[in-house]
Amino acid sequence: GENVEQHPSTLSVQEGDSAVIKCTYSDSASNYFPWYKQELGKRPQLIIDIRSNVGEKKDQRIAVTLNKTAKHFSLHITETQPEDSAVYFCAASIKGNTGKLIFGQGTTLQVKP
Amino acid sequence: DTEVTQTPKHLVMGMTNKKSLKCEQHMGHRAMYWYKQKAKKPPELMFVYSYEKLSINESVPSRFSPECPNSSLLNLHLHALQPEDSALYLCASSRGRDTGELFFGEGSRLTVL
Repeated sequence: GENVEQHPSTLSVQEGDSAVIKCTYSDSASNYFPWYKQELGKRPQLIIDIRSNVGEKKDQRIAVTLNKTAKHFSLHITETQPEDSAVYFCAASIKGNTGKLIFGQGTTLQVKP
Repeated sequence: DTEVTQTPKHLVMGMTNKKSLKCEQHMGHRAMYWYKQKAKKPPELMFVYSYEKLSINESVPSRFSPECPNSSLLNLHLHALQPEDSALYLCASSRGRDTGELFFGEGSRLTVL
């Protein structure tokens, strides 16, 4: 079946360093790739997303890159801050535009002051 | 108003009880979703409603019964649940099924005794 693999499962960085989280998807029809941040006890919140007709998107310290050929997409966070500490989930739409997202297993990011 | 509101925030029920979770949004979104999330796991899709019609049921057991009374409201009726159904139940909405960002509610934390 369709799946999304996410790596690493945990990531610890020093404040100010960069963090990279990678995801691989299986459904070649996927065309929407969001990233969600979930702080402890809170709801998932969208931090950035990308569609399949774009290779890269940036929003301040956060960027996402997409390689459709390889079915990879990655989240890049630069100049990390302690408030970036959270669980990050990647996701991919399934079979185009059904509204169904498949989530990766999550990455727990810890930013040490 | 960019909020998805869920009630109750916490619910404890016995296996013979009948209860309901409620979700409301006033953003004019036409797609609404129920997700189930276990601790340290990604959200798992349960149901998708599009224009108040059920469009996806992810083979969810019949002890979970969704209802969409109008475009702003989504309910999840619970009956004869099992302890393994204890989880955080997240409601979400989006402008349409194929229009990207999911807005999540804070969730209802359900404990089944």
